[in-house]
Amino acid sequence: DTEVTQTPKHLVMGMTNKKSLKCEQHMGHRAMYWYKQKAKKPPELMFVYSYEKLSINESVPSRFSPECPNSSLLNLHLHALQPEDSALYLCASSQPWGNPETQYFGPGTRLLVL
Amino acid sequence: AQKITQTQPGMFVQEKEAVTLDCTYDTSDQSYGLFWYKQPSSGEMIFLIYQGSYDEQNATEGRYSLNFQKARKSANLVISASQLGDSAMYFCAMREGGTGNQFYFGTGTSLTVIP
Repeated sequence: DTEVTQTPKHLVMGMTNKKSLKCEQHMGHRAMYWYKQKAKKPPELMFVYSYEKLSINESVPSRFSPECPNSSLLNLHLHALQPEDSALYLCASSQPWGNPETQYFGPGTRLLVL
Repeated sequence: AQKITQTQPGMFVQEKEAVTLDCTYDTSDQSYGLFWYKQPSSGEMIFLIYQGSYDEQNATEGRYSLNFQKARKSANLVISASQLGDSAMYFCAMREGGTGNQFYFGTGTSLTVIP
């Protein structure tokens, strides 16, 4: 059973909509991540939060806005997306120190932008 | 240069047979970690096994084992007694000592188990 949950599982939105993806973990991890994954490709890192502070932003367009309200929650706010943003969005969490820093992933949100 | 290389885009294995998925890595760090994940068609990335660069023994987790050859910079995943449920995409990943929380993923290998 995954201990990282993501909602919604599926999302269809128009290019003018505003929506949010939510991620929650209950493993006491202090690092959380957003990845974007296209079909048959590896995940691409978007953002990393460490101790609720944004530590890595991989030059993601501003139409994606992350938020980490507390150590258990991670949101990704979406606005004015493009059809090419359609993908599987994965959230992950880990401890930010020591070994092995294994990242544990949620089930993902499949996003379709029309 | 690619940090993680997986040279097998697709693999087939007969049910109950063993299969090896290849992974080579590139790093100049002394401290690093190597990970394997399984991704079924449902989309979730499932952590399978971890090998630290200082671990002297190969990691094992149930039917999964990691054949770690440090001098060759390879970290191959061995799945014994394949099951139909093993059909999935498999990703090798690496965390370098100095990169904080960043993982580098390979391009993946699609494994199909044939009954």
